[in-house]
Amino acid sequence: EVQLQQSGAELGKPGTSVKLSCKVSGYNIRNTYMHWVNQRPGKSLEWIGRIDPANGNTIYAEKFKSKATLTADTSSNTAYMQLSQLKSDDTAIYFCAMGPFDYWGQGVMVTVSS
Amino acid sequence: DIQMTQSPSSLPASLGDRVTITCRASQDIGNYLRWFQQKPGKSPRLMIYGATNLAAGVPSRFSGSRSGSDYSLTINSLESEDMAIYYCLQHNEYPYTFGAGTKLELK
Repeated sequence: EVQLQQSGAELGKPGTSVKLSCKVSGYNIRNTYMHWVNQRPGKSLEWIGRIDPANGNTIYAEKFKSKATLTADTSSNTAYMQLSQLKSDDTAIYFCAMGPFDYWGQGVMVTVSS
Repeated sequence: DIQMTQSPSSLPASLGDRVTITCRASQDIGNYLRWFQQKPGKSPRLMIYGATNLAAGVPSRFSGSRSGSDYSLTINSLESEDMAIYYCLQHNEYPYTFGAGTKLELK
């Protein structure tokens, strides 16, 4: 059974960074793309970007190019997303998903507050 | 970027009804269209892939169709467990884009 387990909720101060993790079990992430999506409170889903864990190649939505950094560790079958220069507007639930979106993590709430 | 215009935003319906949700793509996306169901506090669940194919474990009352740039999700004989928000997604080209969502609720 494929499962994506995300790290716990984060509380970050404005201007700081957080790093989220997404550990996959039941499937080798080298054989797929890992996507990240956010959902601001009461809003729709928004695609952030994806990484090819086999070679580290990344593609980002334009608005997240200076916000998010996607990495992956194939030895631990885990994908990561770092969010930098946090602002209140980054407060959202962040999901990882295996591509394209057959399987999702449970989501992690990131709250940005001083 | 490809815009996915989803309608309606809200859909009141009764149990047993047949309902249809539509997404219109601003550019050609072929059949690279997926539908998701999201319930409160949960992750989205894949319902339809390739515009018309039922994902594993999805009840047969759900179906997807395409007419040109219009993609539809139809639910026959609504059940209480179907009350949720539904989103479409185009994954034909980057950036991938979602529709704004349709909240299906009991009338």
